[in-house]
Amino acid sequence: EAGVVQSPRYKIIEKKQPVAFWCNPISGHNTLYWYRQNLGQGPELLIRYENEEAVDDSQLPKDRFSAERLKGVDSTLKIQPAELGDSAVYLCASSMTGLANYGYTFGSGTRLTVV
Amino acid sequence: DQQVKQNSPSLSVQEGRISILNCDYTNSMFDYFLWYKKYPAEGPTFLISISSIKDKNEDGRFTVFLNKSAKHLSLHIVPSQPGDSAVYFCAAREFTNNDMRFGAGTRLTVKP
Repeated sequence: EAGVVQSPRYKIIEKKQPVAFWCNPISGHNTLYWYRQNLGQGPELLIRYENEEAVDDSQLPKDRFSAERLKGVDSTLKIQPAELGDSAVYLCASSMTGLANYGYTFGSGTRLTVV
Repeated sequence: DQQVKQNSPSLSVQEGRISILNCDYTNSMFDYFLWYKKYPAEGPTFLISISSIKDKNEDGRFTVFLNKSAKHLSLHIVPSQPGDSAVYFCAAREFTNNDMRFGAGTRLTVKP
C-alpha cells in the first residue's frame, strides 16, 4: 500500500514569491490534514478536510494561505506571498474518519526555505 | 497555547537500558493519547496509543502509561536499542473532533 505522498520534498523561494505543495493521501482515507512543523517544535494543525469539506481551518492564516481538496482526494496548500517566517516543514497526513485514535499516516513533508 | 508539553528536549540512554519519555497535558477533553516516532527527513510514524479509559498499554518493547489525575503520560522502551534513536512526539486528541495536538518532541539517543 502506498503511503501519503507529498511533493516537492524541498523548496527554496525568495520572500514575496508564491509556493504550492501537493499531497496524495492513502486511498480510502477521507480525512486529510495539513500540519506545519517549525524547527524544534511539534507539528501544528493548519487545516483538516473531511472529503472535500474543510471542517477546521481555524489555524490557517487566511490572508496568505489557501488550500483545496478537489474531489476529496488530492490536496494542495498554497502560500502567496511567502514570508521569511513561513520557513518550516509542511506535513500532510490522512486517516479514515473515526479511526484517528490509531494514528494518522504522515507523508515525508515538504521543507520550505524562504530567503 | 501549548496543550501538550514535552519538557525534556533530549534524552540519552545506554543500549539495553530503559528509556522513559514524559509528556504532560492540560486539556481534560483529550480522550486519546499517542506517541509518534520521527527519523530525520521522514514524517512522524505512529508508534503506540492509549485511550483515556486505560492506564497502561503495551506493545512489545513499548509501554505507555497514563495518569489522568496528574495529566501525565510516559513512554517506556525496554530494552532500548540504537535503532530507537529518533525524535518522539507525544500527541493527544480531543474527543469532540479528530484534531491532534503535538508536543515539541524529545530526541532520544541510544548509545551502543
